[in-house]
Formats: sequence, C-alpha cells, structure tokens
Amino acid sequence: DTEVTQTPKHLVMGMTNKKSLKCEQHMGHRAMYWYKQKAKKPPELMFVYSYEKLSINESVPSRFSPECPNSSLLNLHLHALQPEDSALYLCASSQEGRGYTFGSGTRLTVV
Amino acid sequence: SQQGEEDPQALSIQEGENATMNCSYKTSINNLQWYRQNSGRGLVHLILIRSNEREKHSGRLRVTLDTSKKSSSLLITASRAADTASYFCATDAGGSNYKLTFGKGTLLTVNP
Repeated sequence: DTEVTQTPKHLVMGMTNKKSLKCEQHMGHRAMYWYKQKAKKPPELMFVYSYEKLSINESVPSRFSPECPNSSLLNLHLHALQPEDSALYLCASSQEGRGYTFGSGTRLTVV
Repeated sequence: SQQGEEDPQALSIQEGENATMNCSYKTSINNLQWYRQNSGRGLVHLILIRSNEREKHSGRLRVTLDTSKKSSSLLITASRAADTASYFCATDAGGSNYKLTFGKGTLLTVNP
C-alpha cells in the first residue's frame, strides 16, 4: 500500500459545528503532516507528528486540534471555524530524507 | 514562511516543447524536492535531489541543483498535454524537524 487516504473528500460545515478530518497510511512512515492550501497558493504547513508525537505546530489557531491515535492514523478536529478557514486540507507522510506522499485532500467549506 | 520562489509563475507551451522552471531558496537545505499538483488535488512527488548532488534524471524530468546560488531547475522534455499542472519546489532543511517548505509554484499549461 503506497497511498495516503483522506476522508472525507468534501466537507461543508457551519461555524458552530464540530467535525473531524481523517488520514491513514500503511507505509510505515513515522512522520505525518497536515497542510492547508488556499486557492492558487502553495501548501502551508500546519502540524508535524514524528513517531506519534506532535513536533511542530506552526502557530495554528486552537480551533484546529490534531491527534495521532497510532502510527497509521492522523486526525484533525475542527471546531468553531471561520469562513476564511475554507481551504484544501492535505495530509502527508514521509520517511526522513525521502519524498512525501500526499493524500488527495479534503476540500473544506465553512458557511 | 515561504522558502522557495519559482519562476516563471506561469508558463504556456506547445506539446512536444521543453518546459523549464526555476526555483530559488534562501537557507541551507538537506534536499530539494519537486512536486506536481493537478487542479485542486493532492501533490505528487516527482523527484528529490540531495544537497551533495548536482543533477538528477527521472524519465522526462531533469533536475539541477546549484547550492552556491541556492537555486534549482526542473526541465520537462517533450511535454504532453497531461503535464498541465502546477509545479512546486520544496526545501527540506534536514535534522529531526521533518519540515518541508513549499515555494509559490509555476502553473504549466501544455497546449495540444
């Protein structure tokens, strides 16, 4: 299995909702990432998990809460989001010194 | 913060022509990577070049790295309409931080 699987592919949520994005990989990669990408912009790093521990938080607002239940799973819990948080959320995994494998993303719309 | 800066921002060519995209970066790197993104979808890793390498090939792709100028180029030869996508360079500073930082990207359009 050489893929990163993200669910759901599309999500529409209200500003008072709580939802979660899920990411799964079975390549044995020990690092997993969340990126946010706005239209016509490059991906921006949000969080890095290394060996299931949060190693980087790029000053992301607390309405985004990451979780790594085990070495294959990565979640992003969403609460009280703003319309400007609408974006493509990308999950990725890697082994040190190698290229990243990205999922196809969750397109999030906050209404 | 953005590390890599690609140019041109947009490039339009005819099928069969070669496409060259350039990337400049600011700080020391462990490796530099190139990714392709089709409209609104996930990124696909194309090629990784380490800081001690100067050139690398993969199929129709050729990547060069000049660490003295802090720059890299991606050449796609004999382009096809299916190569139409955004191309990003990304830098990895190495160490235990596992942090990959993307440039602004080049939108390549290959016309049939």
